[in-house]
Amino acid sequence: SQKIEQNSEALNIQEGKTATLTCNYTNYSPAYLQWYRQDPGRGPVFLLLIRENEKEKRKERLKVTFDTTLKQSLFHITASQPADSATYLCALVLNTGNQFYFGTGTSLTVIP
Amino acid sequence: DTAVSQTPKYLVTQMGNDKSIKCEQNLGHDTMYWYKQDSKKFLKIMFSYNNKELIINETVPNRFSPKSPDKAHLNLHINSLELGDSAVYFCASRGRNEQFFGPGTRLTVL
Repeated sequence: SQKIEQNSEALNIQEGKTATLTCNYTNYSPAYLQWYRQDPGRGPVFLLLIRENEKEKRKERLKVTFDTTLKQSLFHITASQPADSATYLCALVLNTGNQFYFGTGTSLTVIP
Repeated sequence: DTAVSQTPKYLVTQMGNDKSIKCEQNLGHDTMYWYKQDSKKFLKIMFSYNNKELIINETVPNRFSPKSPDKAHLNLHINSLELGDSAVYFCASRGRNEQFFGPGTRLTVL
């Protein structure tokens, strides 16, 4: 069966440290992978996209890696801040470009 | 200006009733979606429309019927509501690659 799993439902880290979230998938061949942020009571907001032929993408304090052999993406937030506290979702997008499959989400709490 | 809007934000109803949720986007996108997010925050795709045409239907009970009167609107009608339908329903539209989500509609079936 097809699965997209994100590491532990909840992750707590100290302010200033780097948060690393994982997204593992089986039985998919995604064209690209995305990361979204979701705050309580709101819809997910797009953060970053990485294509199957890219190894790494950066945007300000965010970094995403994509290993299609391991079927894994890592999402890093460097110099984390309490304002980074939210749920982070990975999403796989198939070649059609229309089908988005979301992971189980990781709730990140950055402790001051 | 709100990019993707949904109404209502909250919906509380009895089992067996029929209800609708409306969605509108002003981004000029061709493709829109409905997702269901359960209590464990798992976001599952239900339907997708491209320019008023259904392109994705992910094994959703036929009590759920999407309707797209034009490419800016995608409404969701649910017949004979069941307890298990309680969830947050999100509408989204697709830009070049990413999705833009509405604020969600929290449906509670009593």
